[in-house]
Amino acid sequence: SQTIHQWPATLVQPVGSPLSLECTVEGTSNPNLYWYRQAAGRGLQLLFYSVGIGQISSEVPQNLSASRPQDRQFILSSKKLLLSDSGFYLCACQRELQETQYFGPGTRLLVL
Amino acid sequence: SQQGEEDPQALSIQEGENATMNCSYKTSINNLQWYRQNSGRGLVHLILIRSNEREKHSGRLRVTLDTSKKSSSLLITASRAADTASYFCATDAAAGNKLTFGGGTRVLVKP
Repeated sequence: SQTIHQWPATLVQPVGSPLSLECTVEGTSNPNLYWYRQAAGRGLQLLFYSVGIGQISSEVPQNLSASRPQDRQFILSSKKLLLSDSGFYLCACQRELQETQYFGPGTRLLVL
Repeated sequence: SQQGEEDPQALSIQEGENATMNCSYKTSINNLQWYRQNSGRGLVHLILIRSNEREKHSGRLRVTLDTSKKSSSLLITASRAADTASYFCATDAAAGNKLTFGGGTRVLVKP
């Protein structure tokens, strides 16, 4: 079965600083990969998804970008963080021909 | 706006009681899924029901789907303190590849 790793677990960053969150997947090949953001006590907002290396779809205009340099690596980035970028960031994967998603443990980002 | 909306937003019950939560959605779907999230953790898939199914069971979980009303319910029977979590419905629309999550129901099971 697949395992999704995310790091760091917690991050405190000043406004205007850059961001790089990494997600790696084990146990499956050619998965769909997803980045979600969750505000406190709320549901998940899909930010980006990828169906293959170098293929990124953005769901909402924002201060963030995503990249998929390898099949099982998905990176969320920002050049300059905003206060509104604070939240809980979750990476998920969906195996080929399957319909359910598997989530990583998440990264809690606080922008001050 | 979100595709799925859960009701109630929060639920507090005693151990042993049943917990029922509902999800409404707006567009046609291929399937509807329920996920669970413990505080500060990732989501875990619980159960999937397809658009041509009306009811599904998995252990103490029972899910119903009414496509005419665009709604689903999740029932947890004989709840345990360990069932304390947030529960989310997610819909897989006809376009595929993406899930749209609702705002969740926070369930507290008191021992």
